[in-house]
Amino acid sequence: QLQESGPGLVKPSETLSLTCTVSGGSISSNNHYWAWIRQPPGKGLEWIGSVHYSGTTYYNPSLKSRVTISLDTSKNRFSLMLSSVTAADTAVYYCARDYGNVRTDYWGQGTLVTASS
Amino acid sequence: DIQMTQSPSSLSASVGDRVTITCRASQSSSFSLNWYQQKPGTAPKLLITSTSSLQSGVPSRFSGSGSGTDFTLTITNLQPEDFATYYCQQSYAFGQGTKVEIK
Repeated sequence: QLQESGPGLVKPSETLSLTCTVSGGSISSNNHYWAWIRQPPGKGLEWIGSVHYSGTTYYNPSLKSRVTISLDTSKNRFSLMLSSVTAADTAVYYCARDYGNVRTDYWGQGTLVTASS
Repeated sequence: DIQMTQSPSSLSASVGDRVTITCRASQSSSFSLNWYQQKPGTAPKLLITSTSSLQSGVPSRFSGSGSGTDFTLTITNLQPEDFATYYCQQSYAFGQGTKVEIK
């Protein structure tokens, strides 16, 4: 199971910070990547980025300058930081498990983050 | 980067119909071609990977096919619970989605 947590409201120009807590499996697994995907209201899905236990990361080129995804193995969770947010970053943010070849089989329920003053 | 183009963006169908959704990649790739189903207010559900491999528990009325840059999701004998939005995905790119609505 994956569960997102974090503020539902972020002010423009500030940093969005979310955490995904993983239960029932270890984020230290060599077989999995851990991903963040978002969906603006009424729109489609966008891959933000993903991280592997080895430290390998992938970031969407359109977001790369603003995104950091990291692992906290002691708490079996991983995090997303997105800086300098604007209204365009308002979306439901999902965390998910990538079991290889960019296939995501387990997803969190999603959390709505609104960028507004 | 790969871009995925899905069509149609929406369709209306009746229970029992056969539905076909197409997805075209901007380039051929070795990444798995996946299909997801999403119902309102819920996370996407992985249906098919590697073009045609059904995930465990997915009904056999769902099937996938294709190769190269052209792929298809087919739903035969459409059921009430199949009305949803479907997305294709390859590498880190998703299609725009196809909303399957009740006629």
